[in-house]
Order: sequence, then C-alpha cells, then structure tokens
Amino acid sequence: DTAVSQTPKYLVTQMGNDKSIKCEQNLGHDTMYWYKQDSKKFLKIMFSYNNKELIINETVPNRFSPKSPDKAHLNLHINSLELGDSAVYFCASSEYTGELFFGEGSRLTVL
Amino acid sequence: AQSVTQLGSHVSVSEGALVLLRCNYSSSVPPYLFWYVQYPNQGLQLLLKYTSAATLVKGINGFEAEFKKSETSFHLTKPSAHMSDAAEYFCAVRVNNQFYFGTGTSLTVIP
Repeated sequence: DTAVSQTPKYLVTQMGNDKSIKCEQNLGHDTMYWYKQDSKKFLKIMFSYNNKELIINETVPNRFSPKSPDKAHLNLHINSLELGDSAVYFCASSEYTGELFFGEGSRLTVL
Repeated sequence: AQSVTQLGSHVSVSEGALVLLRCNYSSSVPPYLFWYVQYPNQGLQLLLKYTSAATLVKGINGFEAEFKKSETSFHLTKPSAHMSDAAEYFCAVRVNNQFYFGTGTSLTVIP
C-alpha cells in the first residue's frame, strides 16, 4: 500500500488552463503539506493543513487553492496556469514529532 | 529564525571512497534533524533522523550522521560510496510543524 499517493503523476497543459492534483495518505497523520520543487531542485513549502485546518500559507499566488475535505486528503487546484508554474509538486504528511512522508510527485508542464 | 545550509551543491566521489555531505542548521529551539535522498524522478525518502536521542544516528544504505550541537552541524557520511548512491540529498530541520530544507547536494559517484 502506498503511504502517500498523489495523482496524476504527469500533467501537460496549456497556459491559462486550470488543473488539480489530488493527494491521499493512509498513515493516519494529522498534518499534510504541498511542496513545489523547481528545476534547480529547491523545495519550497506552499501550504500545510492540520486536521483540515490551514496552518501554513506561504507567499503563493491566489491562483493556487488547497482543499482538505478530511485529514487524509489534501488537494491542490491551480487556476490560470502560467509558464512559471511548471515544476514538480510534492504532497507529504507527518505526525507532530515525526518525519515527512512524501508522495512520488506530480510533474506539471505548462506550454 | 530557522534555516539549513548545505555546503556544496555538487559533490563527486570515487566508488569506494568516503562520502561526506555537510549540513549546518540554525534553530531557536532543540531541533529535529533529517536527511532525505531523492533519486531521479522519484519522491524524497528518509535516510535518517535525529530526535534528541543518540547523537550518532544510523540510517539506511550504510549512511550515518552525527549531531554536534556546539557546531550546529549534522553532516552525513558513508564509509564507502556505491554507484547506487548517486542522487540528490537534502538536509532538513523541523521546528513544531514546519520543516526547513537545505538547497540540496547532488552526489555523483565516479566508477
């Protein structure tokens, strides 16, 4: 069983389109995250939810909107995609004092 | 403020040689420290973690790291590099629910 699973693994889309990435964790963790990894491999935190409540919201354009229907799911919706949004997006989860468990990543390419 | 510095964005070693990847952190509270490895086109996997128990931490694949409070360091080592160790390595510090990542070190192993 995959601990943190995210879909789709690859997205290729045109500028201006809207896309969503879904994430689910079966570890029973209370906290989930979205990270963005750019072409230089830098990892940047975007959002964090604890028990469906937003606790970290870094400087991210309003076009990015996370949604957590329950503590096992954290989805990411992106409106009006831009070229600079091309990156790999990682979902992760953790317990309060534990490590991060990462999904396999979703590679977004905006043309 | 919390931060993580990884010295050397690229490290090359010969197969069988010692691997040393450097990580220094700053934290206002006792930290939890982690090393992650990322193989090409994959998510991040935990190599090892320090959570205020033993200062010398052993991880997977023969890696270990030593927490040195006086030097605020958590360097990663492996006595003998293997070709399969070629990957990107990230040091991270956790403070409460926030993780702070270094910029990563790309390890190349030369046959």
